[in-house]
Amino acid sequence: GESVGLHLPTLSVQEGDNSIINCAYSNSASDYFIWYKQESGKGPQFIIDIRSNMDKRQGQRVTVLLNKTVKHLSLQIAATQPGDSAVYFCAENIAGYSTLTFGKGTMLLVSP
Amino acid sequence: GAVVSQHPSWVICKSGTSVKIECRSLDFQATTMFWYRQFPKQSLMLMATSNEGSKATYEQGVEKDKFLINHASLTLSTLTVTSAHPEDSSFYICSAREGLAAIYEQYFGPGTRLTVT
Repeated sequence: GESVGLHLPTLSVQEGDNSIINCAYSNSASDYFIWYKQESGKGPQFIIDIRSNMDKRQGQRVTVLLNKTVKHLSLQIAATQPGDSAVYFCAENIAGYSTLTFGKGTMLLVSP
Repeated sequence: GAVVSQHPSWVICKSGTSVKIECRSLDFQATTMFWYRQFPKQSLMLMATSNEGSKATYEQGVEKDKFLINHASLTLSTLTVTSAHPEDSSFYICSAREGLAAIYEQYFGPGTRLTVT
């Protein structure tokens, strides 16, 4: 299930389940989005990206869905594995700008 | 893939002292480097953007005189936390991008854990 801690929401799943991590963004001018995975004590790693002219993009075991109408992004991880345990962040970018704005993040805990 | 390193990986310093964190791009030339700060269980907050040979652009609320950023070469940027205080204790992460590379080609370092006692 999902719980909201003081700062970081947590999603707990069983190994083999599919996981869905959600992200709401606020800037309607954002037109490019990235999902990052951050393991404890490490920097973020790129997972998958999507541009605003798309509503779905698939990678290996991951799918990103974008709903611009409600400014919502989701990351679906198929057949979640213990190695997927980490904090996941969405990040948004506005065309013409080089900076990324990170969302709040969700901790994914995968139990064997 | 492109590799970005940070040194040190962790540092403990006394209140009132200054500490320097290095960010290096190991196999590409980083025209632009970004510095982020991350408090426990929180997101990454962009502190500043630096372009090689230019002054850094600081985000609103970040004191430029406290967080000195130098990007003197295409492979090295440094962040110096001056007169550090316990509230500066945080995880500092840099990222680097080459020239006109795409936004997703922003590679992150492993972070530096700063503890101010």
